[in-house]
Amino acid sequence: DTGVSQDPRHKITKRGQNVTFRCDPISEHNRLYWYRQTLGQGPEFLTYFQNEAQLEKSRLLSDRFSAERPKGSFSTLEIQRTEQGDSAMYLCASSLAGSTSGVRYYNEQFFGPGTRLTVL
Amino acid sequence: AQSVAQPEDQVNVAEGNPLTVKCTYSVSGNPYLFWYVQYPNRGLQFLLKYITGDNLVKGSYGFEAEFNKSQTSFHLKKPSALVSDSALYFCAVRDGSGGSYIPTFGRGTSLIVHP
Repeated sequence: DTGVSQDPRHKITKRGQNVTFRCDPISEHNRLYWYRQTLGQGPEFLTYFQNEAQLEKSRLLSDRFSAERPKGSFSTLEIQRTEQGDSAMYLCASSLAGSTSGVRYYNEQFFGPGTRLTVL
Repeated sequence: AQSVAQPEDQVNVAEGNPLTVKCTYSVSGNPYLFWYVQYPNRGLQFLLKYITGDNLVKGSYGFEAEFNKSQTSFHLKKPSALVSDSALYFCAVRDGSGGSYIPTFGRGTSLIVHP
């Protein structure tokens, strides 16, 4: 257990429905990332937050996808009008970034267990 | 642009033998390199990282990796494999010279350790 939790662990939905996933990062981590992973591939970056600000989004993230981190703690990823191609494992990761007394943190990411989405 | 190549989809090794999982990278600035392991139905777990300093990096579970700048490689190694090391291993790189904080992951290498 890395300390990052995701809910739900599995989601089965019908094409066209909306789904929302939640990620709770390690509490002191200021960065939060969302990835998508399909079979036989490594994680593909979707978006990331520093505190509550969404700083970068991948071109993979179509306008059907939206992510929020309203208070700089947990985050949600919503997919509207799901398509079969959205079926994948959605991974959340968190990390601590910054510096203290001139010491910079070179931040490995701590991953949650993922939410497996199946779109029928 | 940055990229990672893991040339082997699968590595097979007998328990007790040394193992190597290969990774080569491409990045325009200073490479920050990472290895993660993924067990079935679980998220990725951090193993080790190279930021600067000694080219040989030691990590969790007896794993180590050697950074080779001239060959742009960061191979994962372990002197004596265990059956419990069987898992999916991912190499990742990001540009440590500033700009994006986003790592790029390889496709993963499945390590199978036979009893």
